[in-house]
Amino acid sequence: DTGVSQDPRHKITKRGQNVTFRCDPISEHNRLYWYRQTLGQGPEFLTYFQNEAQLEKSRLLSDRFSAERPKGSFSTLEIQRTEQGDSAMYLCASSLSKSEAFFGQGTRLTVV
Amino acid sequence: QKEVEQNSGPLSVPEGAIASLNCTYSDRGSQSFFWYRQYSGKSPELIMFIYSNGDKEDGRFTAQLNKASQYVSLLIRDSQPSDSATYLCAVKWLIFGTGTRLQVFP
Repeated sequence: DTGVSQDPRHKITKRGQNVTFRCDPISEHNRLYWYRQTLGQGPEFLTYFQNEAQLEKSRLLSDRFSAERPKGSFSTLEIQRTEQGDSAMYLCASSLSKSEAFFGQGTRLTVV
Repeated sequence: QKEVEQNSGPLSVPEGAIASLNCTYSDRGSQSFFWYRQYSGKSPELIMFIYSNGDKEDGRFTAQLNKASQYVSLLIRDSQPSDSATYLCAVKWLIFGTGTRLQVFP
């Protein structure tokens, strides 16, 4: 499968725990995006990388969220001290140009 | 004011009809506009990208962009039940609206 890959697909965690998600973009895609989506809402932009540089970060993102993209390949999104309100689908997308972006299948997070 | 606004629907159309989906945006500087389709429980998939004023056609889909009025629309001709999904409008580096749910009934 040469599409965007996200791992894990599902994560259940207790409130207060830290979680980390991984995204492997399509090979050679230099742009990578993270989103959060809750039921009935559109994807909410979290952050954007071009290569290893984090160029945009939503002001909605609290200090508990951090994302990295070392070496400009895969990316990780970490949520510290999870809260029930963090329960959502976390989507990653990648692109090579500004005219398209491809999404992974997402990681569904449930905080109990 | 939200950056991207869409009517949440549902928009119900009969099979074979034209479905018209609309989206307005707030940032006049936006250059890139996207329409994505999302089936329930699935990830969004790209349908159309448009950056110039006017119409862009791809099969049964036509995207229309009017930068002066700050809206972008998507027309689906000969709607099929398989088109039933949520249609998401996005601008810039993919700032999404909440989506419009389309229902095509036989």
